[in-house]
Amino acid sequence: ETGVTQSPTHLIKTRGQQVTLRCSSQSGHNTVSWYQQALGQGPQFIFQYYREEENGRGNFPPRFSGLQFPNYSSELNVNALELDDSALYLCASSTGGPFVVETQYFGPGTRLLVL
Amino acid sequence: QQQVKQSPQSLIVQKGGISIINCAYENTAFDYFPWYQQFPGKGPALLIAIRPDVSEKKEGRFTISFNKSAKQFSLHIMDSQPGDSATYFCAASKAAGNKLTFGGGTRVLVKP
Repeated sequence: ETGVTQSPTHLIKTRGQQVTLRCSSQSGHNTVSWYQQALGQGPQFIFQYYREEENGRGNFPPRFSGLQFPNYSSELNVNALELDDSALYLCASSTGGPFVVETQYFGPGTRLLVL
Repeated sequence: QQQVKQSPQSLIVQKGGISIINCAYENTAFDYFPWYQQFPGKGPALLIAIRPDVSEKKEGRFTISFNKSAKQFSLHIMDSQPGDSATYFCAASKAAGNKLTFGGGTRVLVKP
């Protein structure tokens, strides 16, 4: 186990709704990255937070937003859910932020199903 | 644009055999190349990683071979065991940015 926890484990929403996913990073880690993993595909980078600031964003629309708190935990918010948002959402924690290449440790993910 | 291409998509190997997974990348700014193992319903777990100043790295039964000029790297799983049955992902990251770009994954099945 990596020490990265995510909640909830599973979630079912309907199209147009909003969802908030949560992540607690591994102790001592100040950087959180979020990834979306569609079924049968590799994870895709959504964005990264370092010291409560967004540092880097992948090819995702603005309805994907996030927060990082002073204790380095993080939230991923998705507005106006679409069917294609159904995926496993992974949180990964690391140290050093965007300035140093460091190993990222993944949580178990939140499985989101949009109906 | 798929910056990291992984092959094969799936692999069946007998217990005790060698599993070989290959990846190719395009961006020469990539500076860190990890491999992750993922079981169904779980998040990816780091197996082994390499940086481009090294051509090979071995940890237990897992070996990464890296060819900087060809922009390719591969994972060898020696003495494959049924417990190795999982999906394996290669990834790459730039020195600045620390964002992982993943390959499409290889589903490995080890038959007893």
